[in-house]
Amino acid sequence: QVQLVESGGGVVPPGRSLRLSCAASGFTFSSYAMHWVRQAPGKGLEWVAFISYDGNSKYYADSVKGRCTISRDNAKNTLYLQMNSLRPEDTAVYYCVRDLIGINARWGQGNLVTVSS
Amino acid sequence: QSVLTQPPSVSAAPGQKVTISCSGSSSSLGNNFVSWFQHLPGTAPKLLIYDNNKRPSGIPDRFSGSKSGTSVTLGITGLQTGDEADYYCVTWDSSLSAVVFGGGTKLTVL
Repeated sequence: QVQLVESGGGVVPPGRSLRLSCAASGFTFSSYAMHWVRQAPGKGLEWVAFISYDGNSKYYADSVKGRCTISRDNAKNTLYLQMNSLRPEDTAVYYCVRDLIGINARWGQGNLVTVSS
Repeated sequence: QSVLTQPPSVSAAPGQKVTISCSGSSSSLGNNFVSWFQHLPGTAPKLLIYDNNKRPSGIPDRFSGSKSGTSVTLGITGLQTGDEADYYCVTWDSSLSAVVFGGGTKLTVL
């Protein structure tokens, strides 16, 4: 059974850093591209970042470009999102998503990040 | 302002049919496949349609997808109260080199 479990969220002051993790199980993690998607309170879904199955290709939303880094460790079946210089508008539930566009799409349950002093 | 445009809300009575539109551009919907997700608050979004008009196993044929040019449409027939949720279209935008979501449509089953 496919499982994606996010962790690492919490309350962080503006300007600080946070690293989200997503532990994958139930499928061959190294064969799939992965994404981070977020939803701010009262807002719609917003794509954050993409990483190819082998980690060689990465893309970012303009809203996080230069502040966030997506990475993966295929040996540990884990996806990461390093977020720096956090802003209040980064407050959201962050979802780890397998192969977002296509038949293989699967979402985690999400992890809340709150940026507040 | 989302790259893909959806109506903020739609509504219909139980048993009726509703359609949700999603319009984009040649670099998004015009040349790339679209997926549709159903999202209930507090839960993981659920894949309803992929590759514009295909249903994953387990999704009833009450849900359908279609495409015309730079627009796609999600159709839901035989509406049930359990269909009340937010619905999102999503695709790749070749010009932006980014994934783009529609703003989401809230479905109310009256």
